[in-house]
Amino acid sequence: NAGVTQTPKFQVLKTGQSMTLQCAQDMNHEYMSWYRQDPGMGLRLIHYSVGAGITDQGEVPNGYNVSRSTTEDFPLRLLSAAPSQTSVYFCASSQGSGWEYNEQFFGPGTRLTVL
Amino acid sequence: AQKITQTQPGMFVQEKEAVTLDCTYDTSDQSYGLFWYKQPSSGEMIFLIYQGSYDEQNATEGRYSLNFQKARKSANLVISASQLGDSAMYFCAMRTTSGTYKYIFGTGTRLKVLA
Repeated sequence: NAGVTQTPKFQVLKTGQSMTLQCAQDMNHEYMSWYRQDPGMGLRLIHYSVGAGITDQGEVPNGYNVSRSTTEDFPLRLLSAAPSQTSVYFCASSQGSGWEYNEQFFGPGTRLTVL
Repeated sequence: AQKITQTQPGMFVQEKEAVTLDCTYDTSDQSYGLFWYKQPSSGEMIFLIYQGSYDEQNATEGRYSLNFQKARKSANLVISASQLGDSAMYFCAMRTTSGTYKYIFGTGTRLKVLA
């Protein structure tokens, strides 16, 4: 059981480049989400999904795209990287979408720098 | 609007003493869950404890307990007998029904345990 995996761990991009951050979970979780973590701002939700084929925007969706074609995978696409997207990105998953005890399991994070 | 507020950016505690990390939340929902996560310097997010809005007793997990005061909308984390390994960033989070089950995080409190 690998849990939540993210690749790559580190990435440097130039302004305007595009790339995809990969996220996969092997726990058959319904709910998956992407966060960015910036100093002093906690974790901010970018996009989330409550199941395959269903995605929705979070707090800071601009400049990012997601899709969920399978239960396991939830890639995050940066369309045209900007220095403001320099951050640490976390993918997370949880068993269900309800408010009850549904601990989120986090991936190890991707540290992205945009020059 | 759903919101989590952590007013202590940083705290110090002496080893073996207890410490309380503050968290207040704002929601008009009756059904919600409150979570605490730990982020050590290595960067991973570690789930600590959960409290449901209908739970009558405060949640406890080993040295962690959650002081849940519903009327005050506070969900403070209490760490007893602090250890050097407790030095980390701590995040409070909430999940509600009207928030479409999104998790909302506070900005975090950095705890330093002194020997």
